[in-house]
Amino acid sequence: GAGVSQSPSNKVTEKGKDVELRCDPISGHTALYWYRQSLGQGLEFLIYFQGNSAPDKSGLPSDRFSAERTGGSVSTLTIQRTQQEDSAVYLCASSLDRTGGLAAFFGQGTRLTVV
Amino acid sequence: SQQGEEDPQALSIQEGENATMNCSYKTSINNLQWYRQNSGRGLVHLILIRSNEREKHSGRLRVTLDTSKKSSSLLITASRAADTASYFCATHAGGFKTIFGAGTRLFVKA
Repeated sequence: GAGVSQSPSNKVTEKGKDVELRCDPISGHTALYWYRQSLGQGLEFLIYFQGNSAPDKSGLPSDRFSAERTGGSVSTLTIQRTQQEDSAVYLCASSLDRTGGLAAFFGQGTRLTVV
Repeated sequence: SQQGEEDPQALSIQEGENATMNCSYKTSINNLQWYRQNSGRGLVHLILIRSNEREKHSGRLRVTLDTSKKSSSLLITASRAADTASYFCATHAGGFKTIFGAGTRLFVKA
């Protein structure tokens, strides 16, 4: 596709359930980021993938969070046993850059609400 | 902790006025970027300035960078109601992470 695509756009889940969020980056972009944004706040870095290198998982807030990137393209962010504090917009971005320093293109995000 | 910190947190101006937003950061950087976000969804890249540059222009946008003060400013000239959005600075300090600040919420009144 022409841009970064995220699905679903909105997700309401019950506390304790697992959720999967999907990101389709721009074709050919080797770098992929996941960020989280709580209401009215800045972006919180979660995880970074670059090609076949080991991902930088240093931003994942707990072991309930995990992410995969299959075939260097599509990525899935999984949150297990969701808690109310997980409610936020989850943003995915991709970039051509190998060093993480060039412009990132963002998807429209998934708004997660845990009730 | 956040690398970039914007101020003001919120800014309200009349259409036609200029809007200035500032960003301060803590460590040495390779480059600094400004992004815009409408309605709390995806961010759009506006401009990138490298650490060896002092000023950059793009249309009505002017960005300055002062590495000695570890600060940057974004100036939007002749603002329009459509410029209403949140504006974020993002710094890249090597490694892989681009770190975003908390943003400035700009409201331009028609």
